[in-house]
Amino acid sequence: EPEVTQTPSHQVTQMGQEVILRCVPISNHLYFYWYRQILGQKVEFLVSFYNNEISEKSEIFDDQFSVERPDGSNFTLKIRSTKLEDSAMYFCASNPRGHEQYFGPGTRLTVT
Amino acid sequence: RKEVEQDPGPFNVPEGATVAFNCTYSNSASQSFFWYRQDCRKEPKLLMSVYSSGNEDGRFTAQLNRASQYISLLIRDSKLSDSATYLCVVTGNYGGSQGNLIFGKGTKLSVKP
Repeated sequence: EPEVTQTPSHQVTQMGQEVILRCVPISNHLYFYWYRQILGQKVEFLVSFYNNEISEKSEIFDDQFSVERPDGSNFTLKIRSTKLEDSAMYFCASNPRGHEQYFGPGTRLTVT
Repeated sequence: RKEVEQDPGPFNVPEGATVAFNCTYSNSASQSFFWYRQDCRKEPKLLMSVYSSGNEDGRFTAQLNRASQYISLLIRDSKLSDSATYLCVVTGNYGGSQGNLIFGKGTKLSVKP
């Protein structure tokens, strides 16, 4: 069964550094998403991406964040200058048109 | 008002028990509704979509009441493997299943032998 994959599984970085989180969505899916979950809190929407552009973003997704689909398979989330409060699990999800969203295993980001 | 509210839990039940989860949502424009389960430090996994007519998948039954903006999940004959956090999820601003998902905080279920 096809799955969403994410790398790395755990990323440790220092405050102020840039990080790139990578995702490979399910191959025939058209919509892609990033969510985050701070430890002990609910899953929160960050951004959705369709047809090579952002279709929707939350107030969390400020100028420090960007997304890109550099080729036909990868979907990346970049945080330009990490803050302590960016420490969280980051989940990528994908969605074939008109169906439910399927989540990757997540990247745990720890900012020190 | 919180967008998606769930029973705070946790629910601790013996094997074989029937467990009910309740959820209310605030956005009347939401068009799609789901239950996901999440194991500790893992990704949310889709359990089932929820339809106005109600739907059943084995031991799991989901109901939706649009007028009351209320969603429920019933687990019958609970198993040890059902232990997880159950997340009530609705679609957000764009509606439909392409829209962003809004999650409740979840209700933790522990099924004991």
